[in-house]
Amino acid sequence: KQEVTQIPAALSVPEGENLVLNCSFTDSAIYNLQWFRQDPGKGLTSLLLIQSSQREQTSGRLNASLDKSSGRSTLYIAASQPGDSATYLCAVSSSASKIIFGSGTRLSIRP
Amino acid sequence: DAGITQSPRHKVTETGTPVTLRCHQTENHRYMYWYRQDPGHGLRLIHYSYGVKDTDKGEVSDGYSVSRSKTEDFLLTLESATSSQTSVYFCAISGLAGVLADTQYFGPGTRLTVL
Repeated sequence: KQEVTQIPAALSVPEGENLVLNCSFTDSAIYNLQWFRQDPGKGLTSLLLIQSSQREQTSGRLNASLDKSSGRSTLYIAASQPGDSATYLCAVSSSASKIIFGSGTRLSIRP
Repeated sequence: DAGITQSPRHKVTETGTPVTLRCHQTENHRYMYWYRQDPGHGLRLIHYSYGVKDTDKGEVSDGYSVSRSKTEDFLLTLESATSSQTSVYFCAISGLAGVLADTQYFGPGTRLTVL
């Protein structure tokens, strides 16, 4: 059974720092991995989607990497800003009905 | 943002009553999903649809049914609501090539409280 873990559960850093969020999964037979952002009381916003054949994806200050063999993905945020404060979730898809989400990392950027 | 709306946005109901939540999309995406989000459990897939009248179960489908009679609408029904179904419900869509290769877009959520 696929399990997705995100550590740490919460993270607080000062503005301007570069940071890395981690996502690990137990079954490497995946089709894709997606990173989302969720603001309090809101829905999820897709940040990056990495196909199983890809190693990384970049969007602006965000870079996501995927290492299927080790069951790991990282989300790198450069030059963090207070507006980056949110909960970040990763989700792993192995079929149309098997989409497993991690429990998220709650990120707080201190001005 | 993808054109996804959910209604109602908030609902309080009593145990044993039927409840229907609606998800409406304007993007003509093929796939639609219903999730629930609970503290300590994260997001879990309830049901999904891969076309009109084509639906299948997700991880936590017991006590829920769905219907999709039009591309744009996906309904989630709790036939007899229980307190354990108190949750925030999210609808999502994807469609260029299905979930296996495509980004999921989420609606704003429905907060359901069953007393």
